[in-house]
Amino acid sequence: KAGVTQTPRYLIKTRGQQVTLSCSPISGHRSVSWYQQTPGQGLQFLFEYFSETQRNKGNFPGRFSGRQFSNSRSEMNVSTLELGDSALYLCASSSIDRSGGYTFGSGTRLTVV
Amino acid sequence: GDSVTQMEGPVTLSEEAFLTINCTYTATGYPSLFWYVQYPGEGLQLLLKATKADDKGSNKGFEATYRKETTSFHLEKGSVQVSDSAVYFCALSQNSGTYKYIFGTGTRLKVLA
Repeated sequence: KAGVTQTPRYLIKTRGQQVTLSCSPISGHRSVSWYQQTPGQGLQFLFEYFSETQRNKGNFPGRFSGRQFSNSRSEMNVSTLELGDSALYLCASSSIDRSGGYTFGSGTRLTVV
Repeated sequence: GDSVTQMEGPVTLSEEAFLTINCTYTATGYPSLFWYVQYPGEGLQLLLKATKADDKGSNKGFEATYRKETTSFHLEKGSVQVSDSAVYFCALSQNSGTYKYIFGTGTRLKVLA
């Protein structure tokens, strides 16, 4: 079956712009989570969505937001980009019973210049 | 709060050497424990998991045992290959309530032919 698909793979944006990243989970998975990966901070939890509702949010400023659609696809948006937002953004999906753990996508590499 | 501590890398080994990557955790209750692997330019792939004390997770020659008495989940492989070169992440997840992973900082493994 198809894995978790993230688009685009690479993005270059200018400071102050906004960006939207997309994630299509594994078919049947209704939970989608987002993580930010940087060399300095490692992997940090952004938020989790389940059935179009945000269930949990990490410790990130309000510039980071997300949503989930009825088909479980998710988007995350970062407004007013800062240089420190440059990172690999990973999306992960899981089944409702969490039994298989997360399945991660390949990520979107965002570079802010 | 919950946390995961991994040994610092990089770890450099010759092909066919024995591998151990240490992982210890601090958590309330009985979390599930995971090892993920990340190859260059890719997202994270689930390597193995254990959901309760004394469980042994195994996959592709890698093993890890959930040791509650020592709060550890060390990753081992008897004979590494060049293709095992990657970054390895230990993680925990609580089995109820908020669904998010706490990741270790990752350990880079380099295997030389």
